[in-house]
Amino acid sequence: QVQLQESGPGLVKPSDTLSLTCSVSGGSISGYYWSWLRQSAGKGLEWIGRIYSSGYTHYNLSLKSRVTIAIETSKNQISLTLNSVTAADTAVYYCARGYGAGSYNSFDIWGQGTMVSVSS
Amino acid sequence: EIVLTQSPGTVSLSPGERATLSCRASQSVFRSCLAWYQQKPGQAPRLLIYGASNRATGIPDRFSGSGSGTDFTLTISRLEPGDFAVYYCQQYGSSPLTFGGGTKVEI
Repeated sequence: QVQLQESGPGLVKPSDTLSLTCSVSGGSISGYYWSWLRQSAGKGLEWIGRIYSSGYTHYNLSLKSRVTIAIETSKNQISLTLNSVTAADTAVYYCARGYGAGSYNSFDIWGQGTMVSVSS
Repeated sequence: EIVLTQSPGTVSLSPGERATLSCRASQSVFRSCLAWYQQKPGQAPRLLIYGASNRATGIPDRFSGSGSGTDFTLTISRLEPGDFAVYYCQQYGSSPLTFGGGTKVEI
């Protein structure tokens, strides 16, 4: 049974960098797309971007200038870096596995989510 | 960007009743790449339906999805106590992937 676990600081200062890690257990990271999403009261569920196991990335244009997603297959981990954060970046952040063979995916496995607050 | 509008925002029903949830897209969803999720408080979303009408693994057949183009529906034929939750639609036919604002199914 594949499981995802997000980890990282729960509090980030405005203008700083948010860094999160998603650890994949119970299965291989290879051959799948892995996405980061977030959920806030103000904006609902928002897709941030995704990475394939080969390292190919694809970002939501609304965040592209501030986001980097990376993969470390040897550690079965995916990372998210979001620069120059503001209070609007306060949200629960999820990693999720892409499902299906099409160009884009639904998400069949999600992590439990990690709450990140941006505040001084 | 495709905007998904879900209605109603909240629906109040009783166990055993039928729930019909709507998701309308601002433009046609490519190849009916539309998914439905269930989310309970403090939990991550759970995939119910993909491709507009295909149940995900382990999802009971009281959940069904239909629709194409811009109009999609999730039907829960007989509500059970564990079905009271928030339901989201998501389109994955084009980038950026987007979600609707959710429908809360309450008792």
